[in-house]
Amino acid sequence: EIVLTQSPATLSLSPGEGATLSCRASHNISSYLAWYQHKPGQAPRLLIYDASNRASGIPARFSGSGSGTDFTLTISSLEPEDFAVYYCQQRSNWPPLTFGGGTKVEIK
Amino acid sequence: QVQLQQWGAGLLKPSETLSLTCAVNGGSFSGYFWTWIRQPPGGGLEWIGEISYGGTTIYNPALKSRVTISIDTSMKHFSLKLSSVTAADTAVYYCARGVGVRGRSWFDPWGQGALVTVSS
Repeated sequence: EIVLTQSPATLSLSPGEGATLSCRASHNISSYLAWYQHKPGQAPRLLIYDASNRASGIPARFSGSGSGTDFTLTISSLEPEDFAVYYCQQRSNWPPLTFGGGTKVEIK
Repeated sequence: QVQLQQWGAGLLKPSETLSLTCAVNGGSFSGYFWTWIRQPPGGGLEWIGEISYGGTTIYNPALKSRVTISIDTSMKHFSLKLSSVTAADTAVYYCARGVGVRGRSWFDPWGQGALVTVSS
């Protein structure tokens, strides 16, 4: 089973600042990584698939990078609606597909 | 635009069987992998399993002995059954559309989630 480790657990930032979230895989997963945004009481929303491809309707301030074992989600300038929990997910090695533990982006 | 609407019993006693259904509204039902994912209170996301339009299933090995995912293509529904539940199965359960290849999907969109509580 592939273990995904996200860091930091919590990121305290102000609107307008940039955010850098990390996801590290326990084994090489090529580019088979997705990122999701999750707000309380809502369904998770796909942001990025296959490491760097923005999903339909996702603003350009969200970008993904990385391959192998190290991946990054970057939010260039935080909008008020971006404060949420972010999860990474790998689809390289199955079953099972696995998720990271999440990074909470909170308002400073 | 595809929307997933899910429903099912929210309160179970230990040893009972969890049963949830997810309806797919809009979009194509074929060509995707219909998936269940759960999140325990304060915990992370756990992939439960998936079913294809043709009925092929893949389950999380940790849950495989208790999980059944089925599909009704005429109604555009798919369902989850989890037997012999315990308090450890208390979670928000999400249905989702898997995009990609069999067993190797990303998920878009997700249903709104259903809290299932197991308590005596």
